[in-house]
Amino acid sequence: EDKVVQSPLSLVVHEGDTVTLNCSYEVTNFRSLLWYKQEKKAPTFLFMLTSSGIEKKSGRLSSILDKKELFSILNITATQTGDSAVYLCAGLNYGGSQGNLIFGKGTKLSVKP
Amino acid sequence: EAGVAQSPRYKIIEKRQSVAFWCNPISGHATLYWYQQILGQGPKLLIQFQNNGVVDDSQLPKDRFSAERLKGVDSTLKIQPAKLEDSAVYLCASSRGTLRANEKLFFGSGTQLSVL
Repeated sequence: EDKVVQSPLSLVVHEGDTVTLNCSYEVTNFRSLLWYKQEKKAPTFLFMLTSSGIEKKSGRLSSILDKKELFSILNITATQTGDSAVYLCAGLNYGGSQGNLIFGKGTKLSVKP
Repeated sequence: EAGVAQSPRYKIIEKRQSVAFWCNPISGHATLYWYQQILGQGPKLLIQFQNNGVVDDSQLPKDRFSAERLKGVDSTLKIQPAKLEDSAVYLCASSRGTLRANEKLFFGSGTQLSVL
């Protein structure tokens, strides 16, 4: 059975800290690893990682995929209170005619001023 | 560009009652998804439409859940009768094409259902 495991499940930091969120996966017909930020209810897309070892960056956020170790990390530098959210990781199972996303439980990040 | 619209935002019902959720995807998006997110869990796919046809409903509890996509645009998800364990956020998402085509999912703000 496909599974995605995120750690830690929750994290409290202070503004300016750097955080690393972890995601391990066991997904059949694996194609890509996606990160979403969920504030209140609506998840918003952050990154899609398909190739191993290539870092993707967007401002203070960056992410990388290790397809040998079945692992991805999401880094946030110089955290701000606006980064407080649940960060979801999802593995894309490329099987079937459509593909399917397998989500982890998320990491709840709280950034204190 | 308007996002994915969902209504209502919140719904409180008693067990054994019926409830319906509505979703209007982004214009031109052929694929529509309904996800269930139980508190503390990641979203779980319930059903996926490609235009007005169902392409994956393997995790939909068909004895109580039903969904349709009218004319390949709007969609409704119904629960009848509701159980306590149906309490969750129901997220609708849409994409231009399929995930196999590396299309991104755009999520709505969800409907939070509480079954008492």
